[in-house]
Amino acid sequence: NAGVTQTPKFQVLKTGQSMTLQCAQDMNHEYMSWYRQDPGMGLRLIHYSVGAGITDQGEVPNGYNVSRSTTEDFPLRLLSAAPSQTSVYFCASSNPRTGRYGYTFGSGTRLTVV
Amino acid sequence: EDKVVQSPLSLVVHEGDTVTLNCSYEVTNFRSLLWYKQEKKAPTFLFMLTSSGIEKKSGRLSSILDKKELSSILNITATQTGDSAIYLCAVASGAGGTSYGKLTFGQGTILTVHP
Repeated sequence: NAGVTQTPKFQVLKTGQSMTLQCAQDMNHEYMSWYRQDPGMGLRLIHYSVGAGITDQGEVPNGYNVSRSTTEDFPLRLLSAAPSQTSVYFCASSNPRTGRYGYTFGSGTRLTVV
Repeated sequence: EDKVVQSPLSLVVHEGDTVTLNCSYEVTNFRSLLWYKQEKKAPTFLFMLTSSGIEKKSGRLSSILDKKELSSILNITATQTGDSAIYLCAVASGAGGTSYGKLTFGQGTILTVHP
């Protein structure tokens, strides 16, 4: 049981490049979310999904796209990377219908945009 | 816009001390408040509180929600160096059955416990 798996763990991008951060969970959780964490700002919600085919925007969605074609996967796409997107990104999942309200987080992706 | 504020932002104590971390919130359609502990990597879930005044306890950690004051406290007694971490407060809000999809986090409190 791997939990929430994020890849890659580290990435350096040049301004204007695009990339996809991968997130997969094997716990059959319905809810999945992407957060970014910057010093002194806690975790800010980028996008979230409450089931396959359903996504919604969070607090800071600009510059990011998501899709949820399966229950297991929730990739985050950076369309045209900017230095302001330098951050640590966390993917998380939960299953409130079974009482699992507390999110399980992946180990994070540290992204640097130069 | 939903808002969650934690205080203090950082705290330095010695082993054996008792600490109290604060979390206040302004959200639409409050559902529950959650506490997380973050050490080197990913946050780990500690407690969820939905009813006012009910204390949740796990060993030396305890937490109470005050829905009248729109706040919560997290107490840690007899602190140990292993308690050093960032403590995050988050609020689930929104109408309907999907409200737990959206958590709003506070900035976190950095707790440092010296031997």
